[in-house]
Amino acid sequence: GAVVSQHPSWVICKSGTSVKIECRSLDFQATTMFWYRQFPKQSLMLMATSNEGSKATYEQGVEKDKFLINHASLTLSTLTVTSAHPEDSSFYICSALQVGRSQPQHFGDGTRLSIL
Amino acid sequence: GENVEQHPSTLSVQEGDSAVIKCTYSDSASNYFPWYKQELGKRPQLIIDIRSNVGEKKDQRIAVTLNKTAKHFSLHITETQPEDSAVYFCAASIGNTGNQFYFGTGTSLTVIP
Repeated sequence: GAVVSQHPSWVICKSGTSVKIECRSLDFQATTMFWYRQFPKQSLMLMATSNEGSKATYEQGVEKDKFLINHASLTLSTLTVTSAHPEDSSFYICSALQVGRSQPQHFGDGTRLSIL
Repeated sequence: GENVEQHPSTLSVQEGDSAVIKCTYSDSASNYFPWYKQELGKRPQLIIDIRSNVGEKKDQRIAVTLNKTAKHFSLHITETQPEDSAVYFCAASIGNTGNQFYFGTGTSLTVIP
């Protein structure tokens, strides 16, 4: 149980393209989802907290206009990297908290984003 | 926000030996401390966690200890096996203010057969 699906798993696109990443909780409802970015051989850096039906809360230094987050339902959150550039290339991972529970977070498989 | 430091960044041990990874945190309000194992290009997997009302927790070969006064917690792996080789991350979370995780910098563990 508590499966989180992330799509796509890998995407390569040209600089200037906008890319949407989906995070779905498959067998549970999630009021809160989190988005992380991980550069090679580095830790997971929290980008934003996404709450169903409300605006996302961004961590300091993360551009909200660059990384658009939508959490329109209890099972889906999306991250859109707008006008992506090579420096946005990274591994993006989402996690979800089950409704009514404070822990643990259930992680998706991640999306490897490569911007040419 | 919370600041989590993790040491060492790399650790090599002989198969069968023990491995210890240490983390410190800055925010005394943190009350939940999970440990994750991550293999290259894969999702982090929860291996053990501890809440602030407990000082130690054990699950077979894995144990975690927490010292709230000193604001540090440690992961202990005994009788290490080659399949324990991975990157391990600690994290700290303040459960009643959004449940965000702040991860440590990671420890790359290599178990030498």
